[in-house]
Amino acid sequence: EPEVTQTPSHQVTQMGQEVILRCVPISNHLYFYWYRQILGQKVEFLVSFYNNEISEKSEIFDDQFSVERPDGSNFTLKIRSTKLEDSAMYFCASMAGGPVTEAFFGQGTRLTVV
Amino acid sequence: KQEVTQIPAALSVPEGENLVLNCSFTDSAIYNLQWFRQDPGKGLTSLLLIQSSQREQTSGRLNASLDKSSGRSTLYIAASQPGDSATYLCAVRGLVGNQFYFGTGTSLTVIP
Repeated sequence: EPEVTQTPSHQVTQMGQEVILRCVPISNHLYFYWYRQILGQKVEFLVSFYNNEISEKSEIFDDQFSVERPDGSNFTLKIRSTKLEDSAMYFCASMAGGPVTEAFFGQGTRLTVV
Repeated sequence: KQEVTQIPAALSVPEGENLVLNCSFTDSAIYNLQWFRQDPGKGLTSLLLIQSSQREQTSGRLNASLDKSSGRSTLYIAASQPGDSATYLCAVRGLVGNQFYFGTGTSLTVIP
């Protein structure tokens, strides 16, 4: 069964460092998302991406964050200068079509900023 | 802004029991609602997607219902098994914007 793949599964980084989280969405899916879940809290929306551009972003997604689809398969989330409060599980999701279609999530990347 | 609430926060049942998890949302202008399962430290596994025009969806021992006008959904699990132990999340997709709003989840423990 097709699945969304995220790497790495766990990343530890020092405060102020840049990190790139990688995702391979399901082939032929058109809509891509990043969400995050701080330990013990709700899953929160960060950004949606369609047709090679950001379609929506939350207030969490400030100038420290960026997304890219550098090739036909990968979808990345970059955090330029990590803060302690960026420590969370980051989930990538993809959908085949518009909002009526099912969303599939990856297994997540646990980011720990020390 | 859409608020999604799940009750109870935690539930412990003996194996074999049927159980109901509840999800409520404040804004009924939604495309759909999706139920997910999350194992500790793991990702989100899609269980059921129910469109705003549907009343229920079934998959195996799972049945999800949706009452959009009252802002409620339930997930019914029949004949629970220890392998069902996980956190169950509901998420609604609003008509405005392109994001899911998640609840805080119900942590289910099925005791053998």
